[in-house]
Amino acid sequence: EVQLLESGGGLVQPGGSLRLSCAASGFTFSTYAMNWVRQAPGKGLEWVSGLSSSGSSTYYADSVKGRLTISRDNSKNTLYLQMNSLRAEDTAVYYCAKDFRTTPRMAEYWGQGTLVTVSS
Amino acid sequence: QSALTQPPSASGSPGQSVTISCTGTSSDVGGYNYVSWYQQHPGKAPKTMIYEVSKRPSGVPDRFSGSKSGNMASLTVSGLQAEDEADYYCSSYAGSNNLVFGGGTKLTVL
Repeated sequence: EVQLLESGGGLVQPGGSLRLSCAASGFTFSTYAMNWVRQAPGKGLEWVSGLSSSGSSTYYADSVKGRLTISRDNSKNTLYLQMNSLRAEDTAVYYCAKDFRTTPRMAEYWGQGTLVTVSS
Repeated sequence: QSALTQPPSASGSPGQSVTISCTGTSSDVGGYNYVSWYQQHPGKAPKTMIYEVSKRPSGVPDRFSGSKSGNMASLTVSGLQAEDEADYYCSSYAGSNNLVFGGGTKLTVL
């Protein structure tokens, strides 16, 4: 059974940093691309970032380029999202999602999400 | 990247069929067969219902079907059931390893 467990969310002040983690199990982690998708309170889904299966290629939405960094440790079956220079508009539930492919194409399995709140 | 366009709401009575549209451009929906649909109940994580336009993951009832024509994709739910009431989101590959989502459609079972 595929399981994705996010952690690391919380309350952070504007301009601050946070690191999200996503522990994966139930599939060969190193074979699939991974994505981060967020959902602001009462809003729709927004793709934030994706990462190839090897971790060598990273991709970002324009809204987060230069502030968020996606990475993975295939030896630990873990996906990360380093979030810097956080803004109020980054407040959202952040989901990690396993892709169907080796490069970002379509989300297949989703974690339960972790809430990030950016507020003073 | 611009979001895909979905109607904000849709509804149908139990047993009826309802279709939700998802309109994009030739740079996303029309350009690739990487359209997917997600169901989200309140307070829950999304669940994949359709991928690659019309394929169903294991365990998804065959009451759910997907299609695409030009720059518009569609999700049809047949034989509506109470548990189908949820938010539905479409997504498409948009080139350069970027994904784009629709704004979501709230499906109400009357």
